[in-house]
Amino acid sequence: RKEVEQDPGPFNVPEGATVAFNCTYSNSASQSFFWYRQDCRKEPKLLMSVYSSGNEDGRFTAQLNRASQYISLLIRDSKLSDSATYLCVVNPDNYGQNFVFGPGTRLSVLP
Amino acid sequence: GAVVSQHPSWVICKSGTSVKIECRSLDFQATTMFWYRQFPKQSLMLMATSNEGSKATYEQGVEKDKFLINHASLTLSTLTVTSAHPEDSSFYICSARDQAFASTDTQYFGPGTRLTVL
Repeated sequence: RKEVEQDPGPFNVPEGATVAFNCTYSNSASQSFFWYRQDCRKEPKLLMSVYSSGNEDGRFTAQLNRASQYISLLIRDSKLSDSATYLCVVNPDNYGQNFVFGPGTRLSVLP
Repeated sequence: GAVVSQHPSWVICKSGTSVKIECRSLDFQATTMFWYRQFPKQSLMLMATSNEGSKATYEQGVEKDKFLINHASLTLSTLTVTSAHPEDSSFYICSARDQAFASTDTQYFGPGTRLTVL
Protein backbone atom coordinates (compact mmCIF):
# COMPACT_ATOMS: atom_id res chain seq x y z
CA ARG A 1 0.00 0.00 0.00
CA LYS A 2 1.33 3.44 -0.90
CA GLU A 3 2.02 5.84 1.94
CA VAL A 4 -0.24 8.53 0.52
CA GLU A 5 -3.03 7.87 -1.94
CA GLN A 6 -5.33 10.29 -3.71
CA ASP A 7 -8.30 10.25 -6.05
CA PRO A 8 -6.80 9.47 -9.45
CA GLY A 9 -8.77 12.13 -11.33
CA PRO A 10 -8.81 14.00 -13.57
CA PHE A 11 -11.69 16.13 -12.39
CA ASN A 12 -13.30 18.28 -15.08
CA VAL A 13 -15.78 20.72 -13.59
CA PRO A 14 -17.55 23.88 -14.79
CA GLU A 15 -16.75 27.27 -13.34
CA GLY A 16 -18.60 27.87 -10.10
CA ALA A 17 -18.82 24.20 -9.20
CA THR A 18 -17.85 22.73 -5.86
CA VAL A 19 -15.29 19.94 -6.00
CA ALA A 20 -13.81 17.73 -3.31
CA PHE A 21 -10.59 15.74 -3.31
CA ASN A 22 -9.79 12.84 -1.01
CA CYS A 23 -6.51 11.63 0.36
CA THR A 24 -5.63 8.72 2.63
CA TYR A 25 -2.37 8.00 4.40
CA SER A 26 -1.02 4.79 5.82
CA ASN A 27 1.20 5.96 8.69
CA SER A 28 -1.08 6.47 11.69
CA ALA A 29 1.69 8.33 13.52
CA SER A 30 1.82 11.10 10.91
CA GLN A 31 1.82 14.50 12.51
CA SER A 32 1.04 17.14 9.93
CA PHE A 33 -0.64 17.40 6.61
CA PHE A 34 -0.72 19.83 3.73
CA TRP A 35 -2.32 20.51 0.41
CA TYR A 36 -0.04 21.84 -2.32
CA ARG A 37 -0.98 22.84 -5.82
CA GLN A 38 1.31 22.31 -8.76
CA ASP A 39 0.87 23.94 -12.14
CA CYS A 40 2.26 22.24 -15.21
CA ARG A 41 6.05 22.30 -15.27
CA LYS A 42 6.22 24.39 -12.10
CA GLU A 43 7.20 23.73 -8.51
CA PRO A 44 4.58 22.86 -5.88
CA LYS A 45 3.18 25.78 -3.93
CA LEU A 46 1.66 25.48 -0.49
CA LEU A 47 -2.10 25.89 -0.63
CA MET A 48 -2.87 25.25 2.99
CA SER A 49 -1.80 23.29 6.00
CA VAL A 50 -4.23 20.95 7.70
CA TYR A 51 -4.09 20.73 11.48
CA SER A 52 -6.24 19.04 14.06
CA SER A 53 -9.85 19.20 12.92
CA GLY A 54 -9.13 21.08 9.71
CA ASN A 55 -9.30 24.66 8.55
CA GLU A 56 -10.77 27.04 6.00
CA ASP A 57 -9.18 29.67 3.80
CA GLY A 58 -11.59 31.54 1.58
CA ARG A 59 -13.05 29.12 -0.94
CA PHE A 60 -10.86 26.28 0.28
CA THR A 61 -11.65 24.00 3.20
CA ALA A 62 -9.43 21.18 4.39
CA GLN A 63 -10.59 18.46 6.75
CA LEU A 64 -8.61 15.88 8.68
CA ASN A 65 -9.98 12.67 10.13
CA ARG A 66 -7.20 11.02 12.11
CA ALA A 67 -9.27 7.99 13.02
CA SER A 68 -9.84 7.18 9.37
CA GLN A 69 -6.44 8.55 8.26
CA TYR A 70 -8.22 10.67 5.73
CA ILE A 71 -7.79 14.25 4.49
CA SER A 72 -10.03 16.15 2.16
CA LEU A 73 -9.92 19.41 0.24
CA LEU A 74 -13.09 21.19 -0.77
CA ILE A 75 -13.04 23.97 -3.33
CA ARG A 76 -16.17 26.09 -3.61
CA ASP A 77 -17.11 28.39 -6.51
CA SER A 78 -14.22 27.06 -8.56
CA LYS A 79 -12.39 29.45 -10.89
CA LEU A 80 -10.53 28.81 -14.12
CA SER A 81 -7.34 29.65 -12.23
CA ASP A 82 -7.93 26.73 -9.88
CA SER A 83 -6.96 24.35 -12.69
CA ALA A 84 -3.87 22.54 -11.44
CA THR A 85 -2.73 19.33 -9.85
CA TYR A 86 -3.45 19.13 -6.14
CA LEU A 87 -0.92 17.25 -4.06
CA CYS A 88 -1.68 15.79 -0.67
CA VAL A 89 1.45 15.88 1.48
CA VAL A 90 2.02 14.08 4.75
CA ASN A 91 4.78 14.65 7.24
CA PRO A 92 5.39 11.44 9.20
CA ASP A 93 7.20 13.29 11.98
CA ASN A 94 6.72 16.70 13.45
CA TYR A 95 9.83 18.42 12.19
CA GLY A 96 9.56 18.26 8.43
CA GLN A 97 12.37 15.90 7.75
CA ASN A 98 10.51 13.80 5.26
CA PHE A 99 7.55 15.05 3.29
CA VAL A 100 5.69 12.29 1.50
CA PHE A 101 3.80 13.46 -1.56
CA GLY A 102 0.68 11.83 -2.91
CA PRO A 103 0.42 11.20 -6.64
CA GLY A 104 -1.77 14.26 -7.13
CA THR A 105 -5.24 14.86 -8.50
CA ARG A 106 -5.58 16.87 -11.67
CA LEU A 107 -8.37 19.48 -11.74
CA SER A 108 -9.55 21.26 -14.87
CA VAL A 109 -12.10 24.02 -14.42
CA LEU A 110 -13.93 24.62 -17.66
CA PRO A 111 -15.55 27.88 -18.83
CA GLY B 1 7.45 34.66 1.58
CA ALA B 2 10.80 32.94 1.51
CA VAL B 3 12.44 32.55 -1.90
CA VAL B 4 14.40 29.61 -3.19
CA SER B 5 16.11 29.75 -6.55
CA GLN B 6 17.51 27.01 -8.75
CA HIS B 7 19.99 27.19 -11.55
CA PRO B 8 19.83 26.26 -14.31
CA SER B 9 16.11 26.14 -14.96
CA TRP B 10 16.62 23.70 -17.79
CA VAL B 11 19.55 21.81 -19.24
CA ILE B 12 20.08 19.47 -22.16
CA CYS B 13 23.20 17.36 -22.14
CA LYS B 14 24.76 14.37 -23.84
CA SER B 15 24.77 10.96 -22.24
CA GLY B 16 27.80 10.44 -20.04
CA THR B 17 28.28 14.04 -19.01
CA SER B 18 27.80 15.44 -15.51
CA VAL B 19 25.36 18.16 -14.66
CA LYS B 20 25.41 20.40 -11.59
CA ILE B 21 22.22 21.97 -10.26
CA GLU B 22 22.34 24.75 -7.68
CA CYS B 23 19.71 25.48 -5.06
CA ARG B 24 19.89 28.76 -3.15
CA SER B 25 17.83 30.22 -0.36
CA LEU B 26 17.79 33.93 -1.17
CA ASP B 27 16.46 35.60 1.95
CA PHE B 28 16.90 33.04 4.70
CA GLN B 29 19.37 30.51 6.00
CA ALA B 30 18.64 26.87 5.43
CA THR B 31 20.38 24.22 7.49
CA THR B 32 18.34 21.59 5.69
CA MET B 33 17.54 21.35 2.01
CA PHE B 34 15.75 18.57 0.20
CA TRP B 35 16.16 17.27 -3.33
CA TYR B 36 13.20 15.77 -5.15
CA ARG B 37 12.74 14.23 -8.56
CA GLN B 38 9.53 14.19 -10.52
CA PHE B 39 8.97 12.08 -13.62
CA PRO B 40 6.17 12.99 -16.04
CA LYS B 41 2.69 12.44 -14.60
CA GLN B 42 4.13 11.28 -11.31
CA SER B 43 4.47 12.96 -7.96
CA LEU B 44 7.57 14.25 -6.28
CA MET B 45 9.88 11.64 -4.86
CA LEU B 46 12.39 12.62 -2.20
CA MET B 47 15.91 11.74 -3.28
CA ALA B 48 17.96 13.02 -0.40
CA THR B 49 18.10 15.36 2.56
CA SER B 50 21.00 17.78 2.50
CA ASN B 51 22.36 19.09 5.79
CA GLU B 52 24.76 22.00 5.94
CA GLY B 53 28.24 20.89 6.87
CA SER B 54 27.52 17.16 6.88
CA LYS B 55 26.84 14.31 4.51
CA ALA B 56 23.50 14.06 2.79
CA THR B 57 21.03 11.37 3.73
CA TYR B 58 19.85 9.45 0.69
CA GLU B 59 16.53 7.68 0.27
CA GLN B 60 16.46 4.01 -0.47
CA GLY B 61 17.22 3.27 -4.08
CA VAL B 62 19.02 6.56 -4.76
CA GLU B 63 22.70 6.07 -5.62
CA LYS B 64 24.81 8.47 -3.61
CA ASP B 65 27.77 8.09 -5.97
CA LYS B 66 25.63 9.07 -8.92
CA PHE B 67 23.80 11.96 -7.29
CA LEU B 68 26.43 13.96 -5.44
CA ILE B 69 25.11 16.49 -2.97
CA ASN B 70 27.12 19.27 -1.39
CA HIS B 71 25.69 21.69 1.16
CA ALA B 72 28.68 23.89 1.86
CA SER B 73 26.88 26.94 3.17
CA LEU B 74 23.60 27.88 4.81
CA THR B 75 22.25 29.24 1.54
CA LEU B 76 23.54 26.84 -1.10
CA SER B 77 23.15 23.16 -1.88
CA THR B 78 24.25 21.56 -5.12
CA LEU B 79 23.19 18.33 -6.78
CA THR B 80 25.52 16.85 -9.37
CA VAL B 81 24.16 14.15 -11.63
CA THR B 82 27.27 12.24 -12.66
CA SER B 83 27.52 10.37 -15.94
CA ALA B 84 23.95 11.24 -16.79
CA HIS B 85 21.91 8.86 -18.91
CA PRO B 86 18.54 9.31 -20.65
CA GLU B 87 16.74 7.62 -17.75
CA ASP B 88 17.97 10.46 -15.52
CA SER B 89 15.91 12.92 -17.54
CA SER B 90 13.48 14.40 -15.06
CA PHE B 91 12.33 17.50 -13.22
CA TYR B 92 14.59 18.08 -10.22
CA ILE B 93 13.18 20.29 -7.46
CA CYS B 94 14.86 21.44 -4.28
CA SER B 95 13.25 22.76 -1.16
CA ALA B 96 14.60 24.43 1.96
CA ARG B 97 13.59 24.88 5.56
CA ASP B 98 14.16 28.24 7.22
CA GLN B 99 16.64 27.86 10.09
CA ALA B 100 14.82 30.60 11.99
CA PHE B 101 11.68 28.46 12.06
CA ALA B 102 13.29 25.11 12.74
CA SER B 103 10.39 23.94 14.86
CA THR B 104 7.96 24.22 11.98
CA ASP B 105 7.81 21.97 8.99
CA THR B 106 7.33 24.50 6.23
CA GLN B 107 9.40 23.81 3.15
CA TYR B 108 9.95 26.42 0.43
CA PHE B 109 10.37 25.01 -3.04
CA GLY B 110 12.63 26.15 -5.82
CA PRO B 111 11.27 26.52 -9.35
CA GLY B 112 12.81 23.26 -10.48
CA THR B 113 15.36 22.22 -13.09
CA ARG B 114 14.30 20.26 -16.12
CA LEU B 115 17.06 17.90 -17.19
CA THR B 116 17.02 16.21 -20.58
CA VAL B 117 19.77 13.72 -21.35
CA LEU B 118 20.15 12.83 -25.01
